[in-house]
Amino acid sequence: QSVLTQPPSASGTPGQRVTISCSGSSSNIGSNTVNWYQQLPGTAPKLLIYRNDQRPSGVPGRFSGTKSGTSASLAIVGLQSEDEAEYYCSAWDVSLNGHWVFGGGTKLTVL
Amino acid sequence: QVQLQESGPGLVKPSQTLSLTCTVSGDSVKIGGFYWTWIRQHPGKGLEWIGYIYHTGRTYYNPSLKSRVTISVDTSKNQFSLMLSSLTAADTAVYYCARDHLGATISWFDVWGQGTLVTVSS
Repeated sequence: QSVLTQPPSASGTPGQRVTISCSGSSSNIGSNTVNWYQQLPGTAPKLLIYRNDQRPSGVPGRFSGTKSGTSASLAIVGLQSEDEAEYYCSAWDVSLNGHWVFGGGTKLTVL
Repeated sequence: QVQLQESGPGLVKPSQTLSLTCTVSGDSVKIGGFYWTWIRQHPGKGLEWIGYIYHTGRTYYNPSLKSRVTISVDTSKNQFSLMLSSLTAADTAVYYCARDHLGATISWFDVWGQGTLVTVSS
């Protein structure tokens, strides 16, 4: 059972807009920033969004992140076939003297 | 370009201690500001943060694993290592080393190794 809650799956057709939600609590998302990671099949996770809405160099502008209260969302506009991957949200949790927590992951399928 | 590479045994027996090493290239573990991290992923499951180390040797561990984890750094070899004791089948996972950009509550993991699968079985 992951501390952050994500839908297990999401899907969309090429060109569509897709959003993935991440729900937490006051001890994690509510008090710290959220990061998103993309994990393509058989590869290591890759940083996609940091500090809620910042994109690292090289990440396409069609990926964006938002945070409100104890929830966050990842949006992908103009969905492409190469976006098919697992997406994880993450935040620092201040409970138990603090530790990083992750969502259970959302498998995005491009139909 | 910073690269991380995990190395270690792919198969370990129950009750034994796992030892993994992460070799850093394109960067120095002695540079202040970065925290060198271990994260694992159980088969078909999500990610679990294990802990991190600063170049000074300061460590911080996941409370759920703290009693079994030791992370160390060897600045002369530009490596950092993970030891996990009293292994059970539940420790079977892909182990990743990663770089924590700030080591702060508003940080992020910006560089990851490719991961190494560790199976705990007799």
